[in-house]
Amino acid sequence: LAKTTQPISMDSYEGQEVNITCSHNNIATNDYITWYQQFPSQGPRFIIQGYKTKVTNEVASLFIPADRKSSTLSLPRVSLSDTAVYYCLVGSYSGAGSYQLTFGKGTKLSVIP
Amino acid sequence: NAGVTQTPKFQVLKTGQSMTLQCAQDMNHNSMYWYRQDPGMGLRLIYYSASEGTTDKGEVPNGYNVSRLNKREFSLRLESAAPSQTSVYFCASSGGRRGQSHLADNEQFFGPGTRLTVL
Repeated sequence: LAKTTQPISMDSYEGQEVNITCSHNNIATNDYITWYQQFPSQGPRFIIQGYKTKVTNEVASLFIPADRKSSTLSLPRVSLSDTAVYYCLVGSYSGAGSYQLTFGKGTKLSVIP
Repeated sequence: NAGVTQTPKFQVLKTGQSMTLQCAQDMNHNSMYWYRQDPGMGLRLIYYSASEGTTDKGEVPNGYNVSRLNKREFSLRLESAAPSQTSVYFCASSGGRRGQSHLADNEQFFGPGTRLTVL
């Protein structure tokens, strides 16, 4: 069962690049890594997902080293509207039809004007 | 498309009362999930349904039951509510792949949540 560890909080100024790292030392071969964003009083929203190497979409990049024991979400040129909690999710399969989808405790990103 | 809808938005119960949280999705997704979110704890999976007709326990299933009524609807029932079940409950769905083990390799769409208080 993969568990994740993220920094509790981060601060950044507007316009800077922000990198949030998630540790998942026990990640299994079949696990994917997914990041979500959550604003107050809303459900989480999918940002990006990857298995290995680098994935990029219109809002973020995800870097996964060869050993896959960690991953880094990169947000380019953040704005005030990026202030939110960011969750790292690792999908695990523990056998006998039992899936454990483990969210980290999230990183609260505060963007400062 | 409404996406994932949840009812009610807010609910206050007394200890020992029962209630059912309703969730529906209109995206023709195979998989549906129930999470709870407590302050400082992130999201924890209660139950999930990989496909219509199947349900399985997640990380924190005690005190809850679920029903996958059809492909669209997945309900969560508290038979005898306890103060420890005070939380925000989120339902989610994803495309899923029947018979596959990689549920996490599909984007999950979340509902707006139900804020439940048990006195």
